[in-house]
Amino acid sequence: DAGVTQSPTHLIKTRGQQVTLRCSPKSGHDTVSWYQQALGQGPQFIFQYYEEEERQRGNFPDRFSGHQFPNYSSELNVNALLLGDSALYLCASSSQSTGGGYGYTFGSGTRLTVV
Amino acid sequence: QKEVEQDPGPLSVPEGAIVSLNCTYSNSAFQYFMWYRQYSRKGPELLMYTYSSGNKEDGRFTAQVDKSSKYISLFIRDSQPSDSATYLCAMRPSGGGNKLTFGTGTQLKVEL
Repeated sequence: DAGVTQSPTHLIKTRGQQVTLRCSPKSGHDTVSWYQQALGQGPQFIFQYYEEEERQRGNFPDRFSGHQFPNYSSELNVNALLLGDSALYLCASSSQSTGGGYGYTFGSGTRLTVV
Repeated sequence: QKEVEQDPGPLSVPEGAIVSLNCTYSNSAFQYFMWYRQYSRKGPELLMYTYSSGNKEDGRFTAQVDKSSKYISLFIRDSQPSDSATYLCAMRPSGGGNKLTFGTGTQLKVEL
């Protein structure tokens, strides 16, 4: 049973560029959340998607946007990249039927470096 | 002040030791409490979760929640080198979606 798959695993971008990260949720999961984890810090909630709509958003600027597709996979887009956007971006999937943050399965993340 | 405070360590213990990891929090609305383990270059993996106050045991792991003190703990008995990882506490309120608020994580090393 495949878990959460994220691509790419590593990415290097230049300041001002745009980036798209991708996530395929665990089989049977319908909800995708994105987190940003800076080095030496805990993950910070970016937003959550369910039924192709953004349902909840953390304290991140509009440069961060997302999308969920009918097959439940998701994309995270970041525009006008800043050096401070360098981090590990984690995708977590869950099922609305089980609910609760304890139902999350995390992917291994995409390591984004902005130079 | 951060909503969730966690000593970043690093914490180094000998194999077989009892390890105590702790978090404090300020938001009294938090009702669900979790501990995640994160190995290097991997995503967090759920270890334990508890609802409201009390204790929960699973094998070598025990989670405790003291809501009156806004303090949660994870105890690891008979620690093994394979327990070497970063341990993250996380919590969320009972309503309003599934957003988790994490601590900064404690880096643990269990030495032979």
